[in-house]
Order: sequence, then C-alpha cells, then structure tokens
Amino acid sequence: GQNIDQPTEMTATEGAIVQINCTYQTSGFNGLFWYQQHAGEAPTFLSYNVLDGLEEKGRFSSFLSRSKGYSYLLLKELQMKDSASYLCAVMDSNYQLIWGAGTKLIIKP
Amino acid sequence: GAVVSQHPSRVICKSGTSVKIECRSLDFQATTMFWYRQFPKKSLMLMATSNEGSKATYEQGVEKDKFLINHASLTLSTLTVTSAHPEDSSFYICSARETGIFSSPLHFGNGTRLTVT
Repeated sequence: GQNIDQPTEMTATEGAIVQINCTYQTSGFNGLFWYQQHAGEAPTFLSYNVLDGLEEKGRFSSFLSRSKGYSYLLLKELQMKDSASYLCAVMDSNYQLIWGAGTKLIIKP
Repeated sequence: GAVVSQHPSRVICKSGTSVKIECRSLDFQATTMFWYRQFPKKSLMLMATSNEGSKATYEQGVEKDKFLINHASLTLSTLTVTSAHPEDSSFYICSARETGIFSSPLHFGNGTRLTVT
C-alpha cells in the first residue's frame, strides 16, 4: 500500500531552526509537495521537489532523496506565525496526491 | 498566482436540507478539481475527483448520491450535500491544478465550514 509518515507534533522555540521529516512509500513518484495549514484554514503551497537535493525559498527549505524515500522541510528563524500544521504529499504514478497526516508545529516564545 | 475561490466560507443549515458549495479557478483552467473533507485535528480526506464534462470519481466509502458533484465548466465545480445530517458537519475544501500541468501544485480554496443543526 501507499504510505506517508511524518511526526504528529513538534515543538520549537522562536528564532530557532526546526526540521520536519517525511518518509514515503508510493506506487511511483512524480514529485513531493509541502503545504502549510493554519488551524481552521485551507492548506497553502510551500514547496515542490521532484529531483534530489535542496530547494531554498526564503526561511523555508525542502530536501528530497528519492532513493531513500525521504524528504524534510527546514524552517529557519522561526516566528510565532509559523505555528501550524505542515503537510507532506507525494504525487504517485497516476498523478494522484497521497497525503501525510500532517505535523503540528508549536512555536514557543 | 493561481487563485481558487470557494463559497460560501461558512454555512449553517437544518437537518434534511441541501447545501451547495462552489469552487472556482479564477485565473486558470482546471479540467480536474478535488474535493476534500477535514475533521478537527485530522488530515485531509479526499472525497472525490471532479472531472469537467464527465462524472466525478468518488473515493471508497463516499456516497455519490449524497455528495453530488457537477463540473460544468473548466473553471467551476460544485459540491451539493443532499439531505444533510449533523454528522455531515465538517470542513470541506476544494482544490484545483492547472490543466495539463501535472507537476503544478494543488491550489486550495479557503474551505467551507458546514454546520448541520
């Protein structure tokens, strides 16, 4: 079966760095997405990786290793507004998105 | 950037009535749109894939006669919750991807919070 694993919850301190991991097992691979979702709101797109390596976008970076079925989202200089759930999603061979359950990130002052 | 508009954002209805939710892609065409449901503190659950000009594809366990989907144009899909019951109360979110660009991200509407009394 297809499976996406990410930690349920993480806690970090304002100004620090946090890494949210995602491992996947899917039938085929056409890219991995990271989304941010604040409570009561719809998800917003953060990043897309289809090739191995690191993609940097401001304070957020996303890494992919296809051979390991692994990705991480790195958030630097954490701000209180970064408190949200972070969703990992993989596009399979049929171009369908398989969603992880999300990681709730709690930022403390 | 690509924008998806979803209306209404919040609706309260009585048990037994029907509610229609609209999802529009404002600045791009979307042959396919997706309807999700999300319970509090739970992940997104795909309900159905809406296909322009053809029948929607429903996920296992989702009643197609209860959740009617119509994708009449390349920019509009509607979800109608028929004969709503309190257990249908949830957060419904639509999303769309630009036609023909499979690697483009899904863009989400702002969601509709449905409360059935």
